[in-house]
Amino acid sequence: AQSVTQLGSHVSVSEGALVLLRCNYSSSVPPYLFWYVQYPNQGLQLLLKYTSAATLVKGINGFEAEFKKSETSFHLTKPSAHMSDAAEYFCAVRNYGGSQGNLIFGKGTKLSVKP
Amino acid sequence: GAGVSQSPSNKVTEKGKDVELRCDPISGHTALYWYRQRLGQGLEFLIYFQGNSAPDKSGLPSDRFSAERTGESVSTLTIQRTQQEDSAVYLCASSFKGGRATDTQYFGPGTRLTVL
Repeated sequence: AQSVTQLGSHVSVSEGALVLLRCNYSSSVPPYLFWYVQYPNQGLQLLLKYTSAATLVKGINGFEAEFKKSETSFHLTKPSAHMSDAAEYFCAVRNYGGSQGNLIFGKGTKLSVKP
Repeated sequence: GAGVSQSPSNKVTEKGKDVELRCDPISGHTALYWYRQRLGQGLEFLIYFQGNSAPDKSGLPSDRFSAERTGESVSTLTIQRTQQEDSAVYLCASSFKGGRATDTQYFGPGTRLTVL
């Protein structure tokens, strides 16, 4: 069975500082991993996804994530935080069980950006 | 083009009442998913429709929950005899093919359900 763990339910950074949101996965097969962002009162929007084509994945809004098999990690980073990055971020892994349809989500990390 | 839409955006109901939540997927998307997001929690998978195949109901928490989908269009999630623990945001997502692990799921804005 697959699972993801997001370390830190809340992360606070200053504007212009590095953003690092942590995600570790557990999977007995090569995983497909996703990062979604949720702005207040909105649905989830895909930031980026790992599909085994490249270990460093670039997404929208300047975010990127690196797949590290040896560390079972898929951490999300952005070199310089902007106030508009304040949101909740979810890491997810594609479910290989059952119909192989759904995503399995972490509990989310709320990012605050201080001026 | 239009994204996934859901209605109503908010629903307040009394314990024991039935509710219906609606999802309109992106046109042409064959796969449709329902998830539940309870306060402070990640998203929990509820049910998955793929084309004309039998739905994957493995995530439904009890027999009070059911869902239907008309062809490859609208879906309705029904919760019977609502309980306070059903209070959550219910999110719908759709994807083009659904059967490929790399397919992107596009989410609607959700329906916030409050059971008093």
